[in-house]
Amino acid sequence: DSGVTQTPKHLITATGQRVTLRCSPRSGDLSVYWYQQSLDQGLQFLIQYYNGEERAKGNILERFSAQQFPDLHSELNLSSLELGDSALYFCASSGNLGYNEQFFGPGTRLTVL
Amino acid sequence: SQQGEEDPQALSIQEGENATMNCSYKTSINNLQWYRQNSGRGLVHLILIRSNEREKHSGRLRVTLDTSKKSSSLLITASRAADTASYFCATGAGYSTLTFGKGTMLLVSP
Repeated sequence: DSGVTQTPKHLITATGQRVTLRCSPRSGDLSVYWYQQSLDQGLQFLIQYYNGEERAKGNILERFSAQQFPDLHSELNLSSLELGDSALYFCASSGNLGYNEQFFGPGTRLTVL
Repeated sequence: SQQGEEDPQALSIQEGENATMNCSYKTSINNLQWYRQNSGRGLVHLILIRSNEREKHSGRLRVTLDTSKKSSSLLITASRAADTASYFCATGAGYSTLTFGKGTMLLVSP
C-alpha cells in the first residue's frame, strides 16, 4: 500500500460526458502528479501540482483540467469524453520538488462507451 | 512522446534465472528510475540512480547507468515467480517530472 488513494476504482460513462477523478496523496506529500496509461500511448504524464499550484504540464488535453485543494487532495476533471479517453488514470505523490521517487495510487479505470 | 525505450518488450525466463532489461533514452537526464507494475495496478518504485552514479544495488536488483551511451540496465538476480510484472524506466530531466518508457513485460515461470 503506497498511501496514495484514488476514487473511484472504476468508472463507466458515455461519450460527451464529464467525470471527476479524485486523489489523496500520502500524508505529508506536497506534490501530486496525474498520469494516463493506455495500451497504445503507454504511461503519459499529464500534470503536476505542488502545494496547490500547477507546477508542470505534460500531454494534457484542453478538455482535461486538474486542481489541488488546500488539504492537498487533487481532482482531475475530464470533459466531453471520447472513446479514446478510455484508460487507466494514475495519481502519484512525492514529498517535495526534486528528483525523488513517486508513490503511485491504485488507479481509476475509465471506460467510455 | 516516450523518452525511455525498454528492451526487450517481453522476456520469459525460469525461476532462478537472472533477468536483464535495458533502457535507452535520448536527452540529458538528472536521474533515472525503475518502476514495477503488476497487471493493471499502480507502479511501485524500485530504484533511483543519479546521473553521476554508475551502479546501484538494492537486494536482488542491480542497476547500471552509462550516460555516455544514454542507457541503463536493470538486473534481477535469482528471479522468482512473484517477479512477474512489467518494468518501466523513467527519466527525470527537469524539476521532478518523469518520462516513462513503454516497459518490459517479464514472465517468470515456476
